Amino acid sequence: SYGLTQPPSVSVSPGQTASITCSGDKLGDKYAFWYQQKPGQSPVLVIYQHSKRPSGIPERFSGSKSGNTATLTISGTQALDEADYYCQAWDSSTAHVVFGGGTKLTVL
Amino acid sequence: EVQLVESGGGLVQPGGSLRLSCAASGFTFSSYSLNWVRQAPGKGLEWVSYIGSSSRTIYYADSVKGRFTISRDNAKNSLYLQMNSLRAEDTAVYYCAREGDYDRYFDLWGRGTLITVSS
Repeated sequence: SYGLTQPPSVSVSPGQTASITCSGDKLGDKYAFWYQQKPGQSPVLVIYQHSKRPSGIPERFSGSKSGNTATLTISGTQALDEADYYCQAWDSSTAHVVFGGGTKLTVL
Repeated sequence: EVQLVESGGGLVQPGGSLRLSCAASGFTFSSYSLNWVRQAPGKGLEWVSYIGSSSRTIYYADSVKGRFTISRDNAKNSLYLQMNSLRAEDTAVYYCAREGDYDRYFDLWGRGTLITVSS
């Protein structure tokens, strides 16, 4: 079955840039979506269709894709950005949605 | 206010059944596809099931196919998940999630309801 791979953890200093990757076979043919989840809260969409931001999401969040790897970039990372981040895509052959395993972002 | 509110969670014994509900408000419920997504304690997100706006199209994850049934009532602005033959590995917070306008992503999530399968 289709799978997405994320690093388990990423650390960043306040004010620096954090990059979280998501790789998967044929991800180059698909859109990637990104969610932020803080402890005890529901996920929140932060990036859709690789690089678009929903209203209310700060400009410091951006997305990109190169080949089979999608990347979520947080510029000028703030302490409040500390959370788990999940990438997501869907498999057109089965219509099943797939999530990456999640990346815990720590702002040191 | 645009929101989704799940209910129906609780403790159930292995092999038992439970029905989850998700009440929607603040948007045109009948225009959107909906999903259930779950998260086991301390684990990542797992997609469970999808239902199209008119209920004509339904999908299930392999892990729940044949045991769970998704349905909706557009007149009541409600989404449901009937869960049968529950297993310990079904223990999770279950979220209902609305799909976005342009693709299969989730632009609105409920707060979730916890299902614990244990004897």
